[in-house]
Order: sequence, then structure tokens, then C-alpha cells
Amino acid sequence: EPEVTQTPSHQVTQMGQEVILRCVPISNHLYFYWYRQILGQKVEFLVSFYNNEISEKSEIFDDQFSVERPDGSNFTLKIRSTKLEDSAMYFCASSEGPGTEAFFGQGTRLTVV
Amino acid sequence: DQQVKQNSPSLSVQEGRISILNCDYTNSMFDYFLWYKKYPAEGPTFLISISSIKDKNEDGRFTVFLNKSAKHLSLHIVPSQPGDSAVYFCAASHGFNNAGKMLTFGVGTRLLVKP
Repeated sequence: EPEVTQTPSHQVTQMGQEVILRCVPISNHLYFYWYRQILGQKVEFLVSFYNNEISEKSEIFDDQFSVERPDGSNFTLKIRSTKLEDSAMYFCASSEGPGTEAFFGQGTRLTVV
Repeated sequence: DQQVKQNSPSLSVQEGRISILNCDYTNSMFDYFLWYKKYPAEGPTFLISISSIKDKNEDGRFTVFLNKSAKHLSLHIVPSQPGDSAVYFCAASHGFNNAGKMLTFGVGTRLLVKP
């Protein structure tokens, strides 16, 4: 069964460093998303991406964040200068089209020290 | 501002019985609702969805009911199995036919099915 894959599974970084989280969405999907879950809190939307541009973003997704689809398969989330409060599970998701369910990857646990 | 509320943090049921998980929402623009299941250290797994033009959707042991006037939906699992033990998230979006709409999640309900 097709699945969304994320790498790495766990990333530890020092405060102020840049991190790139990588995702390979399901191949025939057209819509891509990043969500995060801070420990003990709910899953929060960060950004959605379609046709090589951001279609929607939340207040969390400030100038420190950026997304990119550098080639036909990868979808990345970059955090330019990490802060302690960026520590969370980051989930990538993809969906086939409007009104279809989003499928989530296993997540990347980001720990900022 | 919790637009999607799951007021029960946990639920415990006996194997074979019905599990009922509840969800309330405040945003009347929401027109597409989903339930996800999540095991520890894994991503949310899609279970079942319903659009606002329906009031019931069934898939095997899982049924979702939508009461638009009450802004309430529920997930019924019958019969419950120990493998159903997980955290269940209710999620909602608006603009069913629009591209890439964000999902707003509830905080989740932890279901424990006892053998």
C-alpha cells in the first residue's frame, strides 16, 4: 500500500541551526501538507502546498519556515533558525485531490537543544 | 480557540462492546469531517470521513454520524477490539471541493479496549 515516508525519524539540532525535514508523498497525490504536534498537545496545521506554491498557511508558519518541492518526489520543510519551542513531531501528509482524505507519514521528531 | 472539541480525554470499553467517541465543532463553515487513529510514535491513520451532505457513513466496524444542527459528530466502533486501542482524533475542514484545505484537529480521545 502506498505510504508517505519521512526522513529522518529523529533529528536533534542546536538552537539557531537550520534543519530540513524531508518527505516523499504518495506518488499520484497533488496536495501536500505539514503538521506538527508538540508533546501533549493537538496536531496543528502548518502549511499546504499545491502546484508548486503555498495554498494555505497558519500563523505558526512564519518567516522562519519554508517549504519546497525540489524535484518530482520530495517535499521539504525548512526551519531557518530553530528555537526551543520548535521541538515537536512534524508530520507530512498528502492527498489526491479536493475533498479527499490526507494520508500522514510516520513523523519526524525534532528536538532543539 | 478550539474549533474542534473532543471533551473526553479517555474512554475505556470491554472487548466486543460498542465504543462511542464524540466530537463537537464550532465553525459552521466546516463541511468535511474525518476521524484519524494514532498509535504512539506513528502518524495519524485515516479511518473514515463524512461530508456535510450526509448524516451517516459506514465502513465495516466504523460508523460516523453527523448532526449538523448540533454541530456534533460521533464515531461508533462495533464490536470493539483490543487492537482499536489508540488515540482517536476528530478533524474538520471547510471548502470540501477546494484544493488543499487545512484540517483542524481536536485534542484526541484515548480509547482503551480491554480484553
